[in-house]
Amino acid sequence: NAGVTQTPKFQVLKTGQSMTLQCAQDMNHEYMSWYRQDPGMGLRLIHYSVGAGITDQGEVPNGYNVSRSTTEDFPLRLLSAAPSQTSVYFCASSRALSGRAGGETQYFGPGTRLLVL
Amino acid sequence: AQSVTQPDIHITVSEGASLELRCNYSYGATPYLFWYVQSPGQGLQLLLKYFSGDTLVQGIKGFEAEFKRSQSSFNLRKPSVHWSDAAEYFCAVGASWGKLQFGAGTQVVVTP
Repeated sequence: NAGVTQTPKFQVLKTGQSMTLQCAQDMNHEYMSWYRQDPGMGLRLIHYSVGAGITDQGEVPNGYNVSRSTTEDFPLRLLSAAPSQTSVYFCASSRALSGRAGGETQYFGPGTRLLVL
Repeated sequence: AQSVTQPDIHITVSEGASLELRCNYSYGATPYLFWYVQSPGQGLQLLLKYFSGDTLVQGIKGFEAEFKRSQSSFNLRKPSVHWSDAAEYFCAVGASWGKLQFGAGTQVVVTP
């Protein structure tokens, strides 16, 4: 199993450009999430999905779009990049636990480092 | 709303010494609590998690954590640190449906 994979590892964008951060998992996990990591702020949830075709907003969703057409893939789209979106982005997946919502172990990808100039 | 506080931004510890990282949470119900570790340039790896039952939880790499409901704490400990334990450590509470609320993290530096 490759686990959770993310591409690219590093990206530089100019303000206003768009791009898609790719995330894939091969563990057949129901849940997938996107977080951003900024110094002194830990990881903050951007968007999450509880299954194919179902997505919802997290704590910091503005400026980002997601979709989930398959169980395996959960891309994150930046429609018009801004310097405030400079960050490290992590994708995670987890298996649903019956009767223990919130207790799932999340498996993280290696991250994508994004710089917006 | 739930929240997680890690009071120590940075801790320096000598190799072989003990380590304790603090975590306080605010949550309405019995929480699911996690400790993750992030080595430089890497993703996050689960060290241990608390569901219910025994308040002392054993994890990987020789780490353990104790859940104290009365103090709303879930502190992480290791009796003797190794140089490879230098990393950033995150405490988190499981909100629901595959979501985690993270603390700001504690950077651990290990000196010879």
